[in-house]
Amino acid sequence: GENVEQHPSTLSVQEGDSAVIKCTYSDSASNYFPWYKQELGKGPQLIIDIRSNVGEKKDQRIAVTLNKTAKHFSLHITETQPEDSAVYFCAASNGFSGGYNKLIFGAGTRLAVHP
Amino acid sequence: DVKVTQSSRYLVKRTGEKVFLECVQDMDHENMFWYRQDPGLGLRLIYFSYDVKMKEKGDIPEGYSVSREKKERFSLILESASTNQTSMYLCASTGTVNTEAFFGQGTRLTVV
Repeated sequence: GENVEQHPSTLSVQEGDSAVIKCTYSDSASNYFPWYKQELGKGPQLIIDIRSNVGEKKDQRIAVTLNKTAKHFSLHITETQPEDSAVYFCAASNGFSGGYNKLIFGAGTRLAVHP
Repeated sequence: DVKVTQSSRYLVKRTGEKVFLECVQDMDHENMFWYRQDPGLGLRLIYFSYDVKMKEKGDIPEGYSVSREKKERFSLILESASTNQTSMYLCASTGTVNTEAFFGQGTRLTVV
């Protein structure tokens, strides 16, 4: 089955620096790659996603890149702020139209942004 | 505001008890999921359902079962709770394939 590996497990940066989290997946049929942010005491929330027909996507300070050949995707956060401190999860899915998708998550990265 | 609601935030049960975790969504979503969250292991899929009365095993189904009698409700059942099932349990739902998953706030279950 699908396996998603995520690195690093913890990341500490100074406010204003960039943060990069990397994930690799095993199933070459995976076609959807979302990123979720989990704040303390809450369920994860989607922050950005990318589909397999796109190599990069940006939303303000957040960007995601996808390398299908290497089966690798990354989350980039620029100009980090203390409110970016949270646990971030990558995920992969091989859903297809008319079918159903099984969303598999990485182990998570705890990001700490220090003022 | 879209919502996935889990019936309990915290639950303490005894070893051997039958435990029911309930999840309700108000978005008319077809797909519902149960995950278990443990430190260093991320979110591991226990079971999911893509339609009423339909269920599929995830990666760690042993010791669990599920029920989906109505579209909006997906229940996770621990047939005989054990201490190694102490964990945070998260329910999620999605509409069509490869769209945003909405999560509940989680149920922290302690089995003593």
